[in-house]
Amino acid sequence: ETGVTQTPRHLVMGMTNKKSLKCEQHLGHNAMYWYKQSAKKPLELMFVYSLEERVENNSVPSRFSPECPNSSHLFLHLHTLQPEDSALYLCASSQGTADYEQYFGPGTRLTVT
Amino acid sequence: AQTVTQSQPEMSVQEAETVTLSCTYDTSESNYYLFWYKQPPSRQMILVIRQEAYKQQNATENRFSVNFQKAAKSFSLKISDSQLGDTAMYFCALFSNQGAQKLVFGQGTRLTINP
Repeated sequence: ETGVTQTPRHLVMGMTNKKSLKCEQHLGHNAMYWYKQSAKKPLELMFVYSLEERVENNSVPSRFSPECPNSSHLFLHLHTLQPEDSALYLCASSQGTADYEQYFGPGTRLTVT
Repeated sequence: AQTVTQSQPEMSVQEAETVTLSCTYDTSESNYYLFWYKQPPSRQMILVIRQEAYKQQNATENRFSVNFQKAAKSFSLKISDSQLGDTAMYFCALFSNQGAQKLVFGQGTRLTINP
């Protein structure tokens, strides 16, 4: 275990649903990240939070909405997704954004039907 | 822009054999770090080994070692005496603490260790 947990581990949702992914880190880190992992593609950085402030949004569609209420929790709110959004969504944390060592959660396998 | 390329989508070797995974990268930064991450099936991605670009000596961690060729921008991972538990996706990644300060990943190599 890396100290980063994600729930749920699996999620199936229709295109009109609204759901949320949750990430929690128990490492005392100040930076948290959302990545999208699709088959045969490099991990794509979606969002970066530092001390609960969003510092990066990598041109992610507005149907993905992140929330970081405190330095230990990170959410990804999902609405009106498309089938191509089906992927493994990984959360990670690091001491700070300039800290290269990131610790990853187990991911949420999302299927959009 | 920084890029990382892994040209081997899949590899398969017998248990106890040695296997080398390839990675090339491109960056204009002078100060950067290179990593190999392991993602076992249905399990969390973990850091296997890291290399600071300013260090000439290749990093080693038990059965894992790298061949860092800075001029060629090559960073391969060697796994010696491979074990069944080494079966996983392996990702090469680059981080520069100048500029964008983000991890850039390769496409991954799926490694299977056969009994």
